[in-house]
Amino acid sequence: SYELTQPPSMSVSPGQTASITCSGDKLGHKYVSWYQQKPGQSPVLVIYQDKKRPSGIPERFSGSNSGNTATLTISGTQAIDEADYYCQAWDTSTVVFGGGTKLTVL
Amino acid sequence: QVQLVQSGAEVKKPGSSVKVSCKASGGTFSSYPISWVRQAPGQGLEWMGGIIPIFGTANYAQKFQDRVTIIADESTSTAYMELSSLRSEDTAVYYCARAEGEGSGIDWFDPWGHGTLLTVSS
Repeated sequence: SYELTQPPSMSVSPGQTASITCSGDKLGHKYVSWYQQKPGQSPVLVIYQDKKRPSGIPERFSGSNSGNTATLTISGTQAIDEADYYCQAWDTSTVVFGGGTKLTVL
Repeated sequence: QVQLVQSGAEVKKPGSSVKVSCKASGGTFSSYPISWVRQAPGQGLEWMGGIIPIFGTANYAQKFQDRVTIIADESTSTAYMELSSLRSEDTAVYYCARAEGEGSGIDWFDPWGHGTLLTVSS
């Protein structure tokens, strides 16, 4: 079965750029979306179809996808961006999620 | 803007079944797939399956294929997920989410319901 691999955790200083990766076989051939989840809350879509931002998502969130790796980039990271982030793709009639990355802003 | 409202928390005994509902309001229900995703305590997101209400046929993740049933009632804009033969490992928050994508795939989920906590305990 298809797998998406994310680093379990990462930290970033306020104002710096956070880059969260998601790896999978030939992932660049698939669309990737990203979700932000804060404690006790439902996931929120922040990037879809690799690089599109839904209405209401700040411009500091961006995405890319090429080769075997998709990347969620948060520019000028703020304390409110501290959360778990999940990537997601579609493969062989199945939805696949990455294991999630806990982003700490300190 | 569509909103998804789920039924309340459930406590079930091992071996029993649970049925969780997800009612859509404020938008089109029938033509968009609805999926169910669960999250065990402290764990990641896990897709269980989904349905396109207007077609009525469901698609399940292999792991849940023999235990889960997803249906949709167009008349009430409500989707249901029934999970049988419950065990303690099924303790989790269960989310419904509206799906979108190009072709026959699911490219993204938006919005998500607020989640339903299922506790399986004897």
